[in-house]
Amino acid sequence: SQTIHQWPATLVQPVGSPLSLECTVEGTSNPNLYWYRQAAGRGLQLLFYSIGIDQISSEVPQNLSASRPQDRQFILSSKKLLLSDSGFYLCAWRERQVYNSPLHFGNGTRLTVT
Amino acid sequence: TQLLEQSPQFLSIQEGENLTVYCNSSSVFSSLQWYRQEPGEGPVLLVTVVTGGEVKKLKRLTFQFGDARKDSSLHITAAQPGDTGLYLCAGFGGSNYKLTFGKGTLLTVNP
Repeated sequence: SQTIHQWPATLVQPVGSPLSLECTVEGTSNPNLYWYRQAAGRGLQLLFYSIGIDQISSEVPQNLSASRPQDRQFILSSKKLLLSDSGFYLCAWRERQVYNSPLHFGNGTRLTVT
Repeated sequence: TQLLEQSPQFLSIQEGENLTVYCNSSSVFSSLQWYRQEPGEGPVLLVTVVTGGEVKKLKRLTFQFGDARKDSSLHITAAQPGDTGLYLCAGFGGSNYKLTFGKGTLLTVNP
């Protein structure tokens, strides 16, 4: 069966520090991968999605970047965090070749920028 | 940009009551999905509706996709405390890569 791992679960970082959140998927190959951010338990904002290695699409211009160095690894980064980067970050995968396939989410990372 | 508006944003009811949550858009979606999220966890898929007018049932939950594929509703019969959570609708529009989410309905069912 497929599993998705996201870490760390919680993170407290000072303003101006770098960020690296990692997500890996097991049990599937060539997935579409996604990073979402959720504010205060509300809707999900799509940040990045990837349909293949080194194929990243950015949805919102911001202080963040994403990379996909391996097929099942997706990394969210920042060189200098802002207070507004605080939030709940969710990684997700879905099957590429199946139309309308659902998203499968990790358990998220709660980021607090102080 | 395709937007999905959910209403109500917050809903607090007593155990045993019925409720309906709405998901509306001015855009046509090829399909809509409903997810449920508990605190500190990622959303989990409840159902996907694809055909206009489609009705799907999942135990006490009934999902409907509008005839024009612009809206959907979720009806819960005899709500239980275990139904508490954030209910999110999401849709595929012109792209099969991007899923657009509504802002969600936060449901609290009090015992």
